Amino acid sequence: DTEVTQTPKHLVMGMTNKKSLKCEQHMGHRAMYWYKQKAKKPPELMFVYSYEKLSINESVPSRFSPECPNSSLLNLHLHALQPEDSALYLCASSQVISQGVEAFFGQGTRLTVV
Amino acid sequence: GENVEQHPSTLSVQEGDSAVIKCTYSDSASNYFPWYKQELGKGPQLIIDIRSNVGEKKDQRIAVTLNKTAKHFSLHITETQPEDSAVYFCAASIFIGNQFYFGTGTSLTVIP
Repeated sequence: DTEVTQTPKHLVMGMTNKKSLKCEQHMGHRAMYWYKQKAKKPPELMFVYSYEKLSINESVPSRFSPECPNSSLLNLHLHALQPEDSALYLCASSQVISQGVEAFFGQGTRLTVV
Repeated sequence: GENVEQHPSTLSVQEGDSAVIKCTYSDSASNYFPWYKQELGKGPQLIIDIRSNVGEKKDQRIAVTLNKTAKHFSLHITETQPEDSAVYFCAASIFIGNQFYFGTGTSLTVIP
């Protein structure tokens, strides 16, 4: 089983709303990632968690706030987003954070900010 | 940082023909190179990968080759089928955080 589950699949939110994206995996992976993907572009790394601790923040604006409550769950809290934040948000996981470890992606959450 | 270039950006082939997608990378420290297939409205799916101690890897109709000296790697799909139509991304991984640097993607269309 190489499944990473993301909810919701689609989300429309206003610029003053607060919402959360959720990601879950039950593969025992200890590294989890958030990527942002704009249309016709490759995924861009946002955050990396290793053993539930934030390891990398790719200079992401504070209106995006990640959280890793346990080894199976990863959340992305959204607040005061801008229309240009509309994108596909992808969660991924890998066994550990070491180089050369396969990463598996979820189906993504299609976010539209209005 | 790492820079991954991918060519071509679009590729159309007749069903049954072969398709080749090429990537180059800049950081000699990269040593893991996965390929992802992304269908419309879905997340990227890992289809094959290669590590720097190997020159070629095959999995049924899919193969990947790596030339570390020239810093390029390629995806080869033989006997293409319509369901192979998708966007394909190459990537290179560096040590820090297992970050993947993705190529710009190739939109492959297999014409029945």
